[in-house]
Amino acid sequence: DAGITQSPRHKVTETGTPVTLRCHQTENHRYMYWYRQDPGHGLRLIHYSYGVKDTDKGEVSDGYSVSRSKTEDFLLTLESATSSQTSVYFCATGSGGEREKLFFGSGTQLSVL
Amino acid sequence: GENVEQHPSTLSVQEGDSAVIKCTYSDSASNYFPWYKQELGKRPQLIIDIRSNVGEKKDQRIAVTLNKTAKHFSLHITETQPEDSAVYFCAVTSYGNNRLAFGKGNQVVVIP
Repeated sequence: DAGITQSPRHKVTETGTPVTLRCHQTENHRYMYWYRQDPGHGLRLIHYSYGVKDTDKGEVSDGYSVSRSKTEDFLLTLESATSSQTSVYFCATGSGGEREKLFFGSGTQLSVL
Repeated sequence: GENVEQHPSTLSVQEGDSAVIKCTYSDSASNYFPWYKQELGKRPQLIIDIRSNVGEKKDQRIAVTLNKTAKHFSLHITETQPEDSAVYFCAVTSYGNNRLAFGKGNQVVVIP
């Protein structure tokens, strides 16, 4: 697996607070993705990046923003967390040559109370 | 956007039997079809994939078959073992597209 580290692994926060999740990769993969996983919904794309400072929205981007200032780091920010954002968040990466083959991080369990 | 559906949502099989999961998609331009396996509490991992110019691909006990005309592809697991118990996700994408569209997953339970 690609060296992908997500932090934190678990977080509990209160409604209305800002939250930032971090994804760090050591494989120099060009593409990085944030997904959320909820029962009955599978994996849904929030945002993705195709290079430093190049990002685009996925299917469930409302309430989330991202930043990628370095190849290795992709940050996901919930500006004002809501209970509907309680979920497991996965970061994934794809290399330039075979970007469709995704490598996933271990996930972050986020609970918004 | 791309509509990806998986059936059945849950599949129980006796150890040693075969399991087949089907995935249907809507975009005829789709050309890459992977399957991911996610064990309980773990990350999804790519187990096999196929491109549109190939009809079937095998890797030991797993295989994927593609029917482009009917817009569906299937995961076949033979001689199932308890470690095959997991959720399996199919996904699709098309050339030039930077994102995968995932199905909602199939729960496979292998009964010892």
